[in-house]
Amino acid sequence: GAGVSQSPSNKVTEKGKDVELRCDPISGHTALYWYRQSLGQGLEFLIYFQGNSAPDKSGLPSDRFSAERTGGSVSTLTIQRTQQEDSAVYLCASSLMPGKYNEQFFGPGTRLTVL
Amino acid sequence: AQSVSQHNHHVILSEAASLELGCNYSYGGTVNLFWYVQYPGQHLQLLLKYFSGDPLVKGIKGFEAEFIKSKFSFNLRKPSVQWSDTAEYFCAVNEANDMRFGAGTRLTVKP
Repeated sequence: GAGVSQSPSNKVTEKGKDVELRCDPISGHTALYWYRQSLGQGLEFLIYFQGNSAPDKSGLPSDRFSAERTGGSVSTLTIQRTQQEDSAVYLCASSLMPGKYNEQFFGPGTRLTVL
Repeated sequence: AQSVSQHNHHVILSEAASLELGCNYSYGGTVNLFWYVQYPGQHLQLLLKYFSGDPLVKGIKGFEAEFIKSKFSFNLRKPSVQWSDTAEYFCAVNEANDMRFGAGTRLTVKP
C-alpha cells in the first residue's frame, strides 16, 4: 500500500510569511508524528497525535508552530511568521499504534527554505 | 528526557572494510532502540530494532547491532561494507510516545 506522503516536497518562502505543510499517514495508522531535521542535526521531535486524544505538543519550539489532525488522518503543520532558523526538512511519520513498540514509517519530508 | 549521542559525524571507508557506528543514550530505564538509515534522496527507513531478548540484533542488508545495557550503548556493525551502504545512519531511542534521534552519522563508502 501507499506510504506516508507529504506535500509540498519543497517550499521556499519569505521571512514573516506563514506556511502550511501537509502529511498523509499510512491508512489505518493511528499515531502521527512530526519531526524537524536541520543540517547537521538529528531529528527533533515536534508533535505527536494519537487518535482523537489531545496531541503531545511538548516538542514545538515556539508558539509560531501549530499542528492539527483532521478526522484522525491528514495532518497540517503550520508555521506562522516564518524565520530563517525555521529552514529545515520537516518529516512526518506514522505508526500503526502508539507507543514504543511500534515502528514509525517516515514520509519523504518537506524541505522548507526561509529567505 | 533522554538524549542520544552518535559520536561519529562522518565516516569514510573503502569497500569491504568493517563498520562500527557508535550510539549511546542517557536513559537508564527500559528503552527500545532503533537504527534508521536514509539513503541519498530516499526516506528514512528502519534498519533494525531492539525491544527485548537477545541483545545482538540482526537487521536488513547484513547490519547488526548490540545492546549493552551496562554501557548504555547500541552500536551498529557490518563486517564488510559496500558502496551501496553510503547513507546517513540515525540511532533512536523510544520511550513512551516519542522517539529521540541522534544527530546522525554520514557514511561514505569508496568503491
